[in-house]
Amino acid sequence: NAGVTQTPKFQVLKTGQSMTLQCAQDMNHEYMSWYRQDPGMGLRLIHYSVGAGITDQGEVPNGYNVSRSTTEDFPLRLLSAAPSQTSVYFCASRSPGQPAGEQYFGPGTRLTVT
Amino acid sequence: RKEVEQDPGPFNVPEGATVAFNCTYSNSASQSFFWYRQDCRKEPKLLMSVYSSGNEDGRFTAQLNRASQYISLLIRDSKLSDSATYLCVVNSVTGFQKLVFGTGTRLLVSP
Repeated sequence: NAGVTQTPKFQVLKTGQSMTLQCAQDMNHEYMSWYRQDPGMGLRLIHYSVGAGITDQGEVPNGYNVSRSTTEDFPLRLLSAAPSQTSVYFCASRSPGQPAGEQYFGPGTRLTVT
Repeated sequence: RKEVEQDPGPFNVPEGATVAFNCTYSNSASQSFFWYRQDCRKEPKLLMSVYSSGNEDGRFTAQLNRASQYISLLIRDSKLSDSATYLCVVNSVTGFQKLVFGTGTRLLVSP
């Protein structure tokens, strides 16, 4: 199993550009989430999904969109990048039977917005 | 006050030492607790869940003190490979997830 994979690993965007961060998992996990990690702050939840076709907002959803058309994939779209979105983005997944805190994280995408 | 607080460290210890970290949480309704390990520029990985009765996994022991609202992680016989940042994670409510991540405690183990 590859686990949770994310692409790209690094990305530099100019303010106003849009892009999609990809996330895929091969563990047949129904639950998937996107987090951002900033210096001096804990990971914060952006959006999450409890199954194909079902998504919901987390703590910091503004400026981001998600969709979940398959169990495996959960892309995160930045609509119009801003310097405040410079961060490290982690995708995570788990099965419904696992406790909420027992998640598998992808390797992350380091995004810089100039 | 932050919902989950950790001493950022770094904790500098020699190989073989015993080291302990605490993590305090403010929401007395918190349901479950976890320790994650994060290596530099890598993703967090689950180290252990923290049970009410405490639990041990090899050199690692986690404990929960609900009365004082903190969890602890004890590492015995520290190895160089234990150098990492340790994140405390608290699940505050039932339902999908209301996970609150601490900012982490950095551990440096030296030869």
